[in-house]
Amino acid sequence: AQKITQTQPGMFVQEKEAVTLDCTYDTSDPSYGLFWYKQPSSGEMIFLIYQGSYDQQNATEGRYSLNFQKARKSANLVISASQLGDSAMYFCAMREGSNTGNQFYFGTGTSLTVIP
Amino acid sequence: GAVVSQHPSRVICKSGTSVKIECRSLDFQATTMFWYRQFPKQSLMLMATSNEGSKATYEQGVEKDKFLINHASLTLSTLTVTSAHPEDSSFYICSAIYHTQYFGPGTRLTVL
Repeated sequence: AQKITQTQPGMFVQEKEAVTLDCTYDTSDPSYGLFWYKQPSSGEMIFLIYQGSYDQQNATEGRYSLNFQKARKSANLVISASQLGDSAMYFCAMREGSNTGNQFYFGTGTSLTVIP
Repeated sequence: GAVVSQHPSRVICKSGTSVKIECRSLDFQATTMFWYRQFPKQSLMLMATSNEGSKATYEQGVEKDKFLINHASLTLSTLTVTSAHPEDSSFYICSAIYHTQYFGPGTRLTVL
C-alpha cells in the first residue's frame, strides 16, 4: 500500500484565491511526521510546513496551513491568497517514527498553476 | 534554515564515463544524508541512505556498484555514477538531516 497518496495530479487556482492540496497517508506507527515541500521548476525542494502526529493544533506558516485530520489520516495543505509564484509542484511526505534520521516517503505530487 | 549545497548543478557527460556529485551541509554536521533520483514529472525516489563512517544502505533495485556513495566526513557525501549510460540521465537530489530533512538544489545529469 502507498504510504502517501496525492490524488490531484494538477490543480488550477485563481490568483488571490485559496487552494487545498490533498494528501492522505498510511501508517501503523503512532509517532510520525508529515511534511509539505514545494518544488519550483528550478528543482529545489523547499520545506513549507510540518505537522507532528501528536500535535494538538494544525500547523500554520504564513499563508500555508495544514488541515490535519488524524482519524481520516489526511494532511491537506491549504494555501491562502495564492500568488503567481506559488505555481510549482507540491509534495506531501511522511516520516515514520520519532527518529529524525528515518527516511521520508513522498507522494506523487500535485502540480499547482496559479492563474492571473 | 539549514543549508545544503550540491555540486555540480548540471553535468553533461559521454556514455561510459563516471560522474561525481557532491553534497555538502554548509552550516551543520550531518551523520545521515539521503540520495534521491527524480525523473521528469515524477516523485523523488530514494536511492540510498548515506551514513558517515559506514557503508551506505541502498534501496532495493539500486545497483550499489553503479552508484557509489561515500560519506567521508560529517559535512560531505558524494555520489559517483560509474560508467554512466543515457538511462542514468536524471535529476539527483541529496538531503541532510538536521532536526528535519533539508534538500540540496539538485544536480541535473545528462548522459549523451
